[in-house]
Amino acid sequence: EPEVTQTPSHQVTQMGQEVILRCVPISNHLYFYWYRQILGQKVEFLVSFYNNEISEKSEIFDDQFSVERPDGSNFTLKIRSTKLEDSAMYFCASRRQEGQPQHFGDGTRLSIL
Amino acid sequence: DQQVKQNSPSLSVQEGRISILNCDYTNSMFDYFLWYKKYPAEGPTFLISISSIKDKNEDGRFTVFLNKSAKHLSLHIVPSQPGDSAVYFCAASGGRDDKIIFGKGTRLHILP
Repeated sequence: EPEVTQTPSHQVTQMGQEVILRCVPISNHLYFYWYRQILGQKVEFLVSFYNNEISEKSEIFDDQFSVERPDGSNFTLKIRSTKLEDSAMYFCASRRQEGQPQHFGDGTRLSIL
Repeated sequence: DQQVKQNSPSLSVQEGRISILNCDYTNSMFDYFLWYKKYPAEGPTFLISISSIKDKNEDGRFTVFLNKSAKHLSLHIVPSQPGDSAVYFCAASGGRDDKIIFGKGTRLHILP
């Protein structure tokens, strides 16, 4: 069964450094998402992406965050200058079309030191 | 912000019996509801969904019930199996929003 894949599984970064989290959505999916889960808290929406542009973003997704679909298969989340509070599990998700469920990857654990 | 609430952090059920997980929501704009299952070190796995035009959806051992007037949904698993032990997230989306709003999750333990 097709899967959303995320790399790396764990990323350790110094505060203030840039980090790029990578995702390969399911190949025929058209809608892409990033969510995060801070330890002990809910899974929270960050951003949705469709037709090569952001369709919605949360208030968490400030100027330090950006997303890109550089080619036909990858979908990346960049944090320009990481903060301690960015430490979380980051999940990528994708779905084929409206009315269908989002499918999630296994996440990248981001640890900011 | 507690638009989707799962009030039971954990639930223990005997193998073979029915597991019932509950969820309440506050946003009347939600029109699509989902249940996800999550094992440690994995992402949420889609289990079953229901549109607001229905009150029940069944898929094998899993049934989701929606009571719109009470803003309540539940997931029934019958019979419960050891592999069902996981965290279950209730989630919702709707209106013009594409994003999913998650509950905090309920940890289900299936006892032998």
